[in-house]
Amino acid sequence: KAGVTQTPRYLIKTRGQQVTLSCSPISGHRSVSWYQQTPGQGLQFLFEYFSETQRNKGNFPGRFSGRQFSNSRSEMNVSTLELGDSALYLCASSLGVVSGANVLTFGAGSRLTVL
Amino acid sequence: DAKTTQPNSMESNEEEPVHLPCNHSTISGTDYIHWYRQLPSQGPEYVIHGLTSNVNNRMASLAIAEDRKSSTLILHRATLRDAAVYYCILRASGAGSYQLTFGKGTKLSVIP
Repeated sequence: KAGVTQTPRYLIKTRGQQVTLSCSPISGHRSVSWYQQTPGQGLQFLFEYFSETQRNKGNFPGRFSGRQFSNSRSEMNVSTLELGDSALYLCASSLGVVSGANVLTFGAGSRLTVL
Repeated sequence: DAKTTQPNSMESNEEEPVHLPCNHSTISGTDYIHWYRQLPSQGPEYVIHGLTSNVNNRMASLAIAEDRKSSTLILHRATLRDAAVYYCILRASGAGSYQLTFGKGTKLSVIP
């Protein structure tokens, strides 16, 4: 069974540019969530999508956005990149049941460097 | 969100058992206790979860205190591959289940 696939794995951008990251969830999983990991802030929740609808959003500026397609694949976009956006961006998929027992499977992440 | 407290780091000798503690004194009755770990240069990996009773799976065991204010992740025989950051996380039901709130975790070092 294929895991969560994130592309690209590594990318370098300059300040002011925008970036789009892609996530393909495990087959059958309808929920995709995104996390940002930095050495200073650790792992922080960005947003979660279920059946193409954003159900929850973390405390990030509007430059961070996402969407989910009908096949459950998801993309996140960061516009007007800042140096502080350099981070590992992680995608996680799950069945999306509204239960504390819901388990997430993470991808390997996309490492973004902003110069 | 209810918070968890974990030691910043722990060490273990290879092939010995490891007990990773987690305190969650403000846990609510419907919060599940989850453990994830993150190996170097990888995304977090699910380890185990439980609600009230102790749980075992092929990776580890989870011991939950009777009052649920603390729990312990038990790795029965540590290997070098178990060196990782271990996160203890509380997951609520309802809208609280849409996200994981990560703390700083415990960095486990395994000594050969």
